[in-house]
Amino acid sequence: DTGVSQNPRHKITKRGQNVTFRCDPISEHNRLYWYRQTLGQGPEFLTYFQNEAQLEKSRLLSDRFSAERPKGSFSTLEIQRTEQGDSAMYLCASSTRGTVNNEQFFGPGTRLTVL
Amino acid sequence: AQTVTQSQPEMSVQEAETVTLSCTYDTSESDYYLFWYKQPPSRQMILVIRQEAYKQQNATENRFSVNFQKAAKSFSLKISDSQLGDAAMYFCAYRSAAGAGGTSYGKLTFGQGTILTVHP
Repeated sequence: DTGVSQNPRHKITKRGQNVTFRCDPISEHNRLYWYRQTLGQGPEFLTYFQNEAQLEKSRLLSDRFSAERPKGSFSTLEIQRTEQGDSAMYLCASSTRGTVNNEQFFGPGTRLTVL
Repeated sequence: AQTVTQSQPEMSVQEAETVTLSCTYDTSESDYYLFWYKQPPSRQMILVIRQEAYKQQNATENRFSVNFQKAAKSFSLKISDSQLGDAAMYFCAYRSAAGAGGTSYGKLTFGQGTILTVHP
């Protein structure tokens, strides 16, 4: 396993369209995090999964956002009725109790541009 | 809620020289972890160094070391013998020691980042 993967790497969409991103964590990692990073800023936490359970959601995750991790493996993040303010890099990270200090390993991100 | 502040938007250093990146944080917790992450232009975040708050000894990883001042809530990163490959955005991050089993669930709180340029 080479690490966390995310698809697509880039997504351009028109305002009002729905988009879905996928994250495949490191295979033995049961913890999965989504972050959003706007240009020139640090990542901000969006949501956390432990196995298939979504245990925490940030207030940043409006009703237009939904995340799933149906079988405790890959996760999807969907944004409905996209707005220009949704333009950002969406990062996924995974970890497990077995890693030192529960270190989070990050994927390359999906860059979303909303026109 | 915890906050992390990086007051240096940009820093530059000559190759082979030493540079220090600053970070301060605010928390009411006594046990936590601090991290420095590197994000090269390819955008994949890489862990550089970690510090457990209960440890008084500053962490060191090869050319990277930290100066952890718990009372002052300061956590700076020193890069010695800077290399061209060190050029990147550096983020300071905080995580509660409650981890994924506690109420914080292990989420990271990041600072705004510092862009490091290394001149040959």
